[in-house]
Amino acid sequence: GQNIDQPTEMTATEGAIVQINCTYQTSGFNGLFWYQQHAGEAPTFLSYNVLDGLEEKGRFSSFLSRSKGYSYLLLKELQMKDSASYLCAVRDQERSNYQLIWGAGTKLIIKP
Amino acid sequence: DVKVTQSSRYLVKRTGEKVFLECVQDMDHENMFWYRQDPGLGLRLIYFSYDVKMKEKGDIPEGYSVSREKKERFSLILESASTNQTSMYLCASSLNLAGAQETQYFGPGTRLLVL
Repeated sequence: GQNIDQPTEMTATEGAIVQINCTYQTSGFNGLFWYQQHAGEAPTFLSYNVLDGLEEKGRFSSFLSRSKGYSYLLLKELQMKDSASYLCAVRDQERSNYQLIWGAGTKLIIKP
Repeated sequence: DVKVTQSSRYLVKRTGEKVFLECVQDMDHENMFWYRQDPGLGLRLIYFSYDVKMKEKGDIPEGYSVSREKKERFSLILESASTNQTSMYLCASSLNLAGAQETQYFGPGTRLLVL
């Protein structure tokens, strides 16, 4: 079947590093997205991985291993404004029009 | 910047009422989507549209219909609202399904309460 798993909630300290994991099972993997969603707001795009390896973008990096069905989002030098939910989504080419499958999101709480 | 707007941020309706949720995007995107977001669940696709007057069912289309008469506007209709349709509704648009990085841009959401 198709499934995406993420931890429900994580807590980290301001200035530290946190890694949010995402594991997936799909039959036709065609790319993985990370989105950030602040409470009561729209999700906003963070990163996209389709090949194995690490993509770095400022304080945020995203890693993909297709053979393991695994991705992580790495946030460095955490700031209070990073408190949000982080959504993992996988594009499946075997779904009609390559629809995305979404994880339930990881709520990240940053403490001073 | 892409802008996706939704007609209401908050809406309260009664069971049995017909409900219209409207979404407008200003970047000439071909694709538009309606999702609902509930606690503990991932975004679930209700319907999407890849062209004017074209629509396709997502994972949970029951109880909903959609309309896309113009490229920039995608409407979600609840023919007869029920309490289990109380949810956050998110509209999104994207440029091209065939593209390598088909980023979806979301509207601010409509929180619907059905009494």
